[in-house]
Amino acid sequence: SQTIHQWPATLVQPVGSPLSLECTVEGTSNPNLYWYRQAAGRGLQLLFYSVGIGQISSEVPQNLSASRPQDRQFILSSKKLLLSDSGFYLCAWSVFGNTEAFFGQGTRLTVV
Amino acid sequence: RKEVEQDPGPFNVPEGATVAFNCTYSNSASQSFFWYRQDCRKEPKLLMSVYSSGNEDGRFTAQLNRASQYISLLIRDSKLSDSATYLCVGDNYGQNFVFGPGTRLSVLP
Repeated sequence: SQTIHQWPATLVQPVGSPLSLECTVEGTSNPNLYWYRQAAGRGLQLLFYSVGIGQISSEVPQNLSASRPQDRQFILSSKKLLLSDSGFYLCAWSVFGNTEAFFGQGTRLTVV
Repeated sequence: RKEVEQDPGPFNVPEGATVAFNCTYSNSASQSFFWYRQDCRKEPKLLMSVYSSGNEDGRFTAQLNRASQYISLLIRDSKLSDSATYLCVGDNYGQNFVFGPGTRLSVLP
């Protein structure tokens, strides 16, 4: 069966520090991969999605970036965090053709 | 205009009640629709897919009206454990997913 792993679960980082969140999927090949952010009390905002290795589409301009170095690995990064980067970051995967998406457990990031 | 809109609620209903949520979408090209459930501080989890013919899963019934571009979720015989935020989701030109802001449901004893 397919599983998705996302870590860390919680993170507190100072303003200006770098960020690296990792997500891996097991049990499937060539998944579509997504990074979403959810601010407190708000809906999910799509940040990046990828349909294959090295293929990244960005939905909103920001100081975050994403990379997909391997088929089932998706990384969210920042060189310098801002206070506004605080939120609940969720990685998700789906199969091509957009059947339902499955989410990792999320990373709660607090920038202080 | 937001692509997927929902009444944020909260909907406060007694146990055993029937409650209905609606959701509207703006992208007429969307093909796939879903309802997700999200518990507080947790990841969203798929509740059910939504088909044009309508589909039912136990106490939950989902309907899609393409002509009016809305999706509905009906929960019958509400349980305390149904308390959560319900997210309406549509696909975006088959490339990714657009989530509504969610409707919060509180089922009261």
